[in-house]
Amino acid sequence: KQEVTQIPAALSVPEGENLVLNCSFTDSAIYNLQWFRQDPGKGLTSLLLIQSSQREQTSGRLNASLDKSSGRSTLYIAASQPGDSATYLCAVRVVGGSEKLVFGKGTKLTVNP
Amino acid sequence: GAVVSQHPSWVICKSGTSVKIECRSLDFQATTMFWYRQFPKQSLMLMATSNEGSKATYEQGVEKDKFLINHASLTLSTLTVTSAHPEDSSFYICSALTGTSIQETQYFGPGTRLLVL
Repeated sequence: KQEVTQIPAALSVPEGENLVLNCSFTDSAIYNLQWFRQDPGKGLTSLLLIQSSQREQTSGRLNASLDKSSGRSTLYIAASQPGDSATYLCAVRVVGGSEKLVFGKGTKLTVNP
Repeated sequence: GAVVSQHPSWVICKSGTSVKIECRSLDFQATTMFWYRQFPKQSLMLMATSNEGSKATYEQGVEKDKFLINHASLTLSTLTVTSAHPEDSSFYICSALTGTSIQETQYFGPGTRLLVL
């Protein structure tokens, strides 16, 4: 059974700092891995999607890496801003005839002005 | 980008009543939609997969008779929480699938917060 773990559960940083969020998964048989942002009481916004054949994806100040063999992904946020404050969720799409996503519990990020 | 809406955004109901939540794909057709539930400080847990024109597939531990899913068209899926109880209070999020093969992407709705008194 695929399990996704995110560390740390919460992170508080001063504005301008670079930071890394971690995600690990137990089964390397995945189609892709996706990072989402969730604001309080809101739905999910997709940030980056990495296919299993890819090593990383970049969008603006965000860079996500994937090491499928070790079951790890990182989300790097450069020059953090207060507007980046949110919960960041990692999810993997499992192999096996389904489009099912398995989510981690998320990392709650607070960027202080 | 693809937009998914949910209605209502929040609902408060008395214990024992039924609540219907709608999930719509606004600018694309989705043969498959998913329903998730999220408890405070917990991850999203998949409840069921909704397929247009056929019965939904429920995850282990989810009562199909309690959480009725109807995917009547390519743009609408509904989740009905029957005889709701306080323990059903949660944040319900749907997603709609678009794309082909491994390029398929789920687009998520804004969620519906349910409070059962």
